[in-house]
Amino acid sequence: DADVTQTPRNRITKTGKRIMLECSQTKGHDRMYWYRQDPGLGLRLIYYSFDVKDINKGEISDGYSVSRQAQAKFSLSLESAIPNQTALYFCATSEDGTGGEGQYFGPGTRLTVT
Amino acid sequence: GEDVEQSLFLSVREGDSSVINCTYTDSSSTYLYWYKQEPGAGLQLLTYIFSNMDMKQDQRLTVLLNKKDKHLSLRIADTQTGDSAIYFCAEAPPSNTGKLIFGQGTTLQVKP
Repeated sequence: DADVTQTPRNRITKTGKRIMLECSQTKGHDRMYWYRQDPGLGLRLIYYSFDVKDINKGEISDGYSVSRQAQAKFSLSLESAIPNQTALYFCATSEDGTGGEGQYFGPGTRLTVT
Repeated sequence: GEDVEQSLFLSVREGDSSVINCTYTDSSSTYLYWYKQEPGAGLQLLTYIFSNMDMKQDQRLTVLLNKKDKHLSLRIADTQTGDSAIYFCAEAPPSNTGKLIFGQGTTLQVKP
């Protein structure tokens, strides 16, 4: 079984709709992250969480919110989706802030906002 | 500021060596990483190098780090069609937040 799972894998929604992307992990890591990937821009950090009570904004948090329901679960919400939020979204986890393991990524959710 | 730059595309013939380059701006970054993204998949950690090293070799992969020029490269020897993917360079600033700063990604196309 995959260590980091994301649901749904694909989603098409309309402008103005609320949508939630979910992430679960079995790595036992405290740190979790949400990124979006756009062609030619790489990955940009939306939000990150060090533990259930510690949530921080990344470089592009406007229009997004998150919820850390448990150590293993970190959800990303778009309160009112807009077309420029069409992107590939990745969840990632890490053990701590140092070390060579880097981050472990989920398979991604492809979101299209029409 | 923190910024990581990569060229967007590289095409090589099967069996040749591939060299993917990356420049970064934070000279105090502790670790630098190379990730691989295959079509329809998430990012997979390929290799990493600690900032006090100049070179790291792992089978067909060789990572070179030039701290003076803030330049990182990934060399893939005997490139295979299965190596076709997007390769991301990332740096870990020393703030201990676990945050990674990613480059734009280099698409490697391997022609038979």
